[in-house]
Amino acid sequence: SAVISQKPSRDICQRGTSLTIQCQVDSQVTMMFWYRQQPGQSLTLIATANQGSEATYESGFVIDKFPISRPNLTFSTLTVSNMSPEDSSIYLCSVEDEAGATKQYFGPGTRLTVT
Amino acid sequence: DAKTTQPPSMDCAEGRAANLPCNHSTISGNEYVYWYRQIHSQGPQYIIHGLKNNETNEMASLIITEDRKSSTLILPHATLRDTAVYYCIVRDNYGQNFVFGPGTRLSVLP
Repeated sequence: SAVISQKPSRDICQRGTSLTIQCQVDSQVTMMFWYRQQPGQSLTLIATANQGSEATYESGFVIDKFPISRPNLTFSTLTVSNMSPEDSSIYLCSVEDEAGATKQYFGPGTRLTVT
Repeated sequence: DAKTTQPPSMDCAEGRAANLPCNHSTISGNEYVYWYRQIHSQGPQYIIHGLKNNETNEMASLIITEDRKSSTLILPHATLRDTAVYYCIVRDNYGQNFVFGPGTRLSVLP
C-alpha cells in the first residue's frame, strides 16, 4: 500500500491569506485526489489531479479558490486561497492503488483553522 | 450523492462481533462495495471490498446479499481501537469517484 504524508499537519491562518498544502507519496501514482472534510461532516472530493494535465474540479469547487499543482508522479499541492472561516476543514489527499486501481489510500490530513 | 444508506450510530461491546449494515438498493452490476473507516483525526483507512462473493481479510468479513442490495461488514472481535466512523461506498472500477456518505459511528464499549 502507498504511504502518504502531508505538510503541514495543522495550521491556524488569518482570513484573506492563502495556505499551500503538500502531499508526498512513496511511490509513483497516476491519479491523486484532494478532499475536504468540514467539521462533523463526511469527505467531499475537491478535485482529481493527474500528472501532466490540468486538475479536474468537482461541482462547487473552482481553480481560482483551490489551485492544484502536480509536478511529478509522487507529489501534489493544494492551495486554499483568500481564506475565510468557512474554509476551516481537514484537507486530505489520496492516491489510487496502481496495482488494480481499486482502492484509494489516504494521507493523514491537514487540519486548517481560519480565524 | 452517496448511493448507500447506513445507520448513523451503533454500539458494540468489546470482544463481541460488530455487524455494520449497509443498504445499496440501486447498485449496478459492475459496482463494487467498499468499506473504509476513519478513526478520529486520521485519514480514512481501507478495510475490504467485494463484488458479489463474500470476502474476508485480516481486518473484517464482508457479507453481500444474493441480490446485492445490501451488505454487512463484520468485525469478529471488536476492540476499543475499532471505535471509528465506518463508510460503505459503492463504486465501479472504471473511473467513478469514491462518494462518502455520513457513515456509521461505531462505539466499542468496555
